[in-house]
Formats: sequence, structure tokens, C-alpha cells
Amino acid sequence: GENVEQHPSTLSVQEGDSAVIKCTYSDSASNYFPWYKQELGKGPQLIIDIRSNVGEKKDQRIAVTLNKTAKHFSLHITETQPEDSAVYFCAASKGNYQLIWGAGTKLIIKP
Amino acid sequence: DSGVTQTPKHLITATGQRVTLRCSPRSGDLSVYWYQQSLDQGLQFLIQYYNGEERAKGNILERFSAQQFPDLHSELNLSSLELGDSALYFCASSVTGATNEKLFFGSGTQLSVL
Repeated sequence: GENVEQHPSTLSVQEGDSAVIKCTYSDSASNYFPWYKQELGKGPQLIIDIRSNVGEKKDQRIAVTLNKTAKHFSLHITETQPEDSAVYFCAASKGNYQLIWGAGTKLIIKP
Repeated sequence: DSGVTQTPKHLITATGQRVTLRCSPRSGDLSVYWYQQSLDQGLQFLIQYYNGEERAKGNILERFSAQQFPDLHSELNLSSLELGDSALYFCASSVTGATNEKLFFGSGTQLSVL
């Protein structure tokens, strides 16, 4: 079955620097790749997603890139701010199958 | 605010007991999902309902059961509780239940089994 690996498990960056979180998936038929942000004490919230017919998608300071050949996709956050501190989850799905989630990355923004 | 309401926010109980967690989806959403998140762990999919019918099942224990009622709210029942069941339980909802659709998560119910 599908497996999603997420790295790193913890990422600490200086405020204003960029952060990159990477996920790899095993099933080449996967075609939907969302990223969720979970702030302390809250449920996850979708921040960006990408489908397999697109290589890159951007929304202000956040971007996601997809490399179908290598079966990996990455979240890029530029000009990081304190409010970006959270746990980020990637996921992948195909067809009628449920989302398979990565283990999460704790992002720490140092002032 | 996601529009998904979960009650209670916190629940403390003893081993062997039974509890019920409740979820009201966003207005207009027909599908409800239940997830378990243990300490420092990722999200484990338990079960999905669509318009009152079970649509998909994940790693849900036999001691756990769920249902979605005609008014679309859902309940997750956990019985014969064990210490290892202590976790954060999330409910999420979506419009049609398609797997490539945005999920809206509630704030969760923190279950502590003592």
C-alpha cells in the first residue's frame, strides 16, 4: 500500500529565513497532495494542495513543488514569521483511497 | 473557526469504561471523518461516513464504533478503554467525501484514560 515519509521531523529556522519540508510517496498512482498546518491546541488546517497534473503551486509565502518522477513533493515557506511555528503534515491519495499522512514536521521559528 | 464542533473538549475516565465523542460537521458537509492522534504521533485515520453510511474504514479497533445520524452529526464510541487509548481524537468534515477534497477539522477531544 501507499506509504508517505516526511522529513525532517523537526526543523528550526531563523525568522525571515526559508523553510523546506519534503515528503516522498511510494505509489506512483497517487494524484493529490495536500499540506496541513496544525497549531498548538487546534486541529489541522489545509494550507495548500497540489494535483499530479501540476508541477508547482504558490500562495503568497507558501509554495508546493511536485516531482512525479522521483515521487516526492515539498513545502516551501519563505520569509518565515513567528506565526509559522506549527506542525506541518503532508499527505497523498489516489482515486477513492483515503489520504495517507506523513508523520509531521515540527517547525520552530527562532526570533 | 473551521465550523466543525467537537464535544467534549476534554474527557478523563478510567480503564474499562465507555465514552462517546460527538461531532457536528460544517453546515452543508455530508461526510465526516474520525482521526486519532497520539502524543507526538501523526494522524491515524479511523473511519469515514457519508450521508449516514459508512464509506471507509481505517485502523479502527473493534472496541471502537461510530455512526452518523440523519442530521449528519456523528458519534464515536470507545469502549473497554485502555491506557493506550489516551489520545486526541479529531473529527473532520468535507462536502462530498471525495478523497481529493479539503478536510475541515474540529479542535479535537482530548481523552485521558487513567
